[in-house]
Formats: sequence, structure tokens, C-alpha cells
Amino acid sequence: SQKIEQNSEALNIQEGKTATLTCNYTNYSPAYLQWYRQDPGRGPVFLLLIRENEKEKRKERLKVTFDTTLKQSLFHITASQPADSATYLCAPTSGTYKYIFGTGTRLKVLA
Amino acid sequence: NAGVTQTPKFRILKIGQSMTLQCTQDMNHNYMYWYRQDPGMGLKLIYYSVGAGITDKGEVPNGYNVSRSTTEDFPLRLELAAPSQTSVYFCASTALAEAFFGQGTRLTVV
Repeated sequence: SQKIEQNSEALNIQEGKTATLTCNYTNYSPAYLQWYRQDPGRGPVFLLLIRENEKEKRKERLKVTFDTTLKQSLFHITASQPADSATYLCAPTSGTYKYIFGTGTRLKVLA
Repeated sequence: NAGVTQTPKFRILKIGQSMTLQCTQDMNHNYMYWYRQDPGMGLKLIYYSVGAGITDKGEVPNGYNVSRSTTEDFPLRLELAAPSQTSVYFCASTALAEAFFGQGTRLTVV
């Protein structure tokens, strides 16, 4: 069955450093992969989408890479700020539009 | 510009009761989803719909039912509520890629 793995342990980093979060998937070939941010008590909010034929995508301080050979996506936040503290979810998506999410990684940026 | 609206925001049910969680979107999206999220856990897909009249099971459909009679509405029905259904429920919709989520319904079954 399809499986999505994100680091379940919280990631603590110092303000100003680059945070790198990992999303690994198995048993399917997504056409694209999405990243979302979720704050406590709120619904997820879309951040970035990268397609299978794209290696890298950037948006302001965010960068996503997508390696279909490794079946992995990396999500980077550069110059991290305490306001970036949240849970980040990945969703590798095939053409069926059945959106399955990873368990998320909780990021805490320390001032 | 409402987006995805869920009602109610909070509800306490007794074991064996039933209820319907409402979800409506005003973006004319074909695809709609219901998820549940247990404390400290990720989103689990319950049911989804690719258009009016079409629904399909997700990862954890047991104990739930859905219908999609219009593009806008995608209600989730709980029959015979059980404590294991205590969770936060999120509805989402999408047209192509980016999904928009509602604010969630916090349900407690006692």
C-alpha cells in the first residue's frame, strides 16, 4: 500500500539557520508533490507544489526539491524565523486526486 | 470570499448518537475531501468526491457515510457514534492542485 514518511520527531533549529524537512514515499509514483503548513487548531495551508518533471521549486524563503528516483522530497526554509514554527505536511499526489498526507514534521525555530 | 466552511465548530455526542458534519465551498471545485486528525497525528482521509454524485472511500471510511448531491456541499454522516470517532474533522476542496481546508470541527464522543 502507499506509504508516506516524514520525520515524526520535532525539529528544533536556531533562528537564522536553514531548516530541512524530509518526505519519503513508497509504492506509488506521484505526478506532483505538495507541501502544507499547519498551525495548532487550524486547517493546513498550501505552500508549494512541485511536479514530477521539476527538480526544484522556490518561493521566497522556501525551496522544495523532488527526486523521483529516490522517492523523496526535501523542503527547506532559509533564514528561519520563530514565526515559521508549525507542523509541515507533505502530500505526494497521483493523477487520481486522492490526497493522502504524511504525518507531518513539527518545526520549532528558537529565538 | 468564504472558501470552505464547516459547521459546527464544536460538538459533543453521546455514544450511539448520530450527526452530520456540514461542509460547503463556494469556489466551484469538483474535488472535495473529508479528513480526521487525532491529537498529535497526521490527516487521515475518510472519503473523497471527484464531482457531484461520485464518492469514494479513503483510508479510514468505517463508521462514516457521505453524499455529494451538489458541487458545493459534501456532508459527512456519523452513524452510531463511538469514542474512537473523537477527533478533529477537516473538509477540503480543490480544483486542480492546491487544496483549501475548512477551519475544522472538533468532535468529542462520550
